[in-house]
Amino acid sequence: QLVLTQSPSASASLGASVKLTCTLSSGHSNYAIAWHQQQPEKGPRYLMKLNSDGSHSKGDGIPYRFSGSSSGAERYLTISSLQSEDEADYYCQTWGTGIQVFGGGTKLTVL
Amino acid sequence: EVQLVESGGVLVQPGGSLRLSCAASGFTFSSYAMSWVRQAPGKGLEWVSAISGSGDSTYYADSVKGRFTISRDNSKNTLYLQMNSLRAEDTAVYYCAKSMVRGVIITNFDYWGQGTLVTVSS
Repeated sequence: QLVLTQSPSASASLGASVKLTCTLSSGHSNYAIAWHQQQPEKGPRYLMKLNSDGSHSKGDGIPYRFSGSSSGAERYLTISSLQSEDEADYYCQTWGTGIQVFGGGTKLTVL
Repeated sequence: EVQLVESGGVLVQPGGSLRLSCAASGFTFSSYAMSWVRQAPGKGLEWVSAISGSGDSTYYADSVKGRFTISRDNSKNTLYLQMNSLRAEDTAVYYCAKSMVRGVIITNFDYWGQGTLVTVSS
C-alpha cells in the first residue's frame, strides 16, 4: 500500500534552516513526490516535484531558499534563511495507478 | 496566469446533493487532467477524484466512489463535482487542482484553487 509518512510538527528559528522529511512506504522507494505549502487560511501552493535521484523542479516564483533532496525512501524539503511567512503546513504528495496520496502534513513553526 | 476558482459550497442536509464548480483560466484547459482534493476542518489533504483532459477517464477515492461524479465542460473551461448522498464526514473545504504534466492524468499538481466550503449538517 502506497503511504507517505510525515512528522506532525517541526520548529526552527527565524533566519535558520529546517529540513522536513516525507517517507515512502516499503516497496515504493523509487517514487517521485511533490511538496506543497499551505499557509494559514489559504489554499495549498505547489513548491516542487522531487525525484528519487534528488533532482527537482520548482513551481513558478518559488524562492531559492526552498530545495529538495532524496535518500532511499526519504524525501526532504529544506528551507533556508527561514522567514515568518514560511510558517505553514507542508504536505508531500505522490501518485500511483489511479490514485493520489498525501502525507499527513508537517506544521512548521518559525520561532 | 493560471487561475482556478471554485464555487458552489453551501450548508446541505445529510443525504442531500450538491454540485461544485471550478472555473479555470490561463492555460489550455482541455490539455490537462484535473482533480478535486478536500480538507476536513483541522485535518490534512485528501484526494477525491481525477478526470482526464478529454473527460473520458475518471478516478475516485474509495470514500466517495458511487456517490460523487467528476465531469468537465471544456467549452466552458469548467470542472464539476456532483456530490450525492452526502454525509457529515464529507464536510470539508473542496479544492480543484491542475495536473502538472500535459496529457497525464495521475501526476503531481502544480496549481490549486482557493477552495469552497461544504458543510453537511442537519
